[in-house]
Amino acid sequence: QVHLEQSGAEVKKPGASVKVSCKVSGHTLTEVSVHWVRQAPGEGLEWMGGFDLEEGETIYAQKFQGRVTITEDTFTGTAYMELSSLRSQDTAVYYCATHRELLSGNYFDYWGQGTPVSVSS
Amino acid sequence: DIQVTQSPSSLSASVGDRVIITCRTSQTIGRHLNWYQHKPGKAPKLLIYTASYLQSGVPSRFSGSGSGTDFTLTISGLQPDDFAYYYCQQGDSSPRTFGQGTKVELK
Repeated sequence: QVHLEQSGAEVKKPGASVKVSCKVSGHTLTEVSVHWVRQAPGEGLEWMGGFDLEEGETIYAQKFQGRVTITEDTFTGTAYMELSSLRSQDTAVYYCATHRELLSGNYFDYWGQGTPVSVSS
Repeated sequence: DIQVTQSPSSLSASVGDRVIITCRTSQTIGRHLNWYQHKPGKAPKLLIYTASYLQSGVPSRFSGSGSGTDFTLTISGLQPDDFAYYYCQQGDSSPRTFGQGTKVELK
């Protein structure tokens, strides 16, 4: 049984950074990669980035290049997403998800519960 | 980047109706198209992967079809639990883009 447990809600001021964690159980991080997706209020799902097995590196959405860093601690089975230079438009719920790259396809099969991040002065 | 256009953005339906949601990609992606259900305050849930494969535990009233650039999610016999948002997502290449979403609400 795969389970992703995310860290709790955050409130930040503009210009600050936030680091959200995602502990994966039921799989090791050598077996799956963790990606990050966010949903701003009233908006749809937006992919931020993750480790791409085919590319062999972490890929970030152009929109977040230079502001987001995704890392993994394979020893503890925890993935992290750090977003810097926060602005009010970064207020959103941030999700981690396991990404499968298999012969049967590439998809997000398990998701964390979401971490609300609020950016306000 | 591959653009994903989903339609309609919302629809109203009754319990028992058949619902069809479509997704079109800007480039051919084979069958690398996935569908998710998302309810407010909950984690998104994978319904269909690689265009037509039903994820384990998902009711058989959900089905997917298509290839190339045009894809469809069909819910045959809408149930009360199905009122939610639905998103398609292309799994062909990075960035892993989502469609804009479809809100399925009660008529």
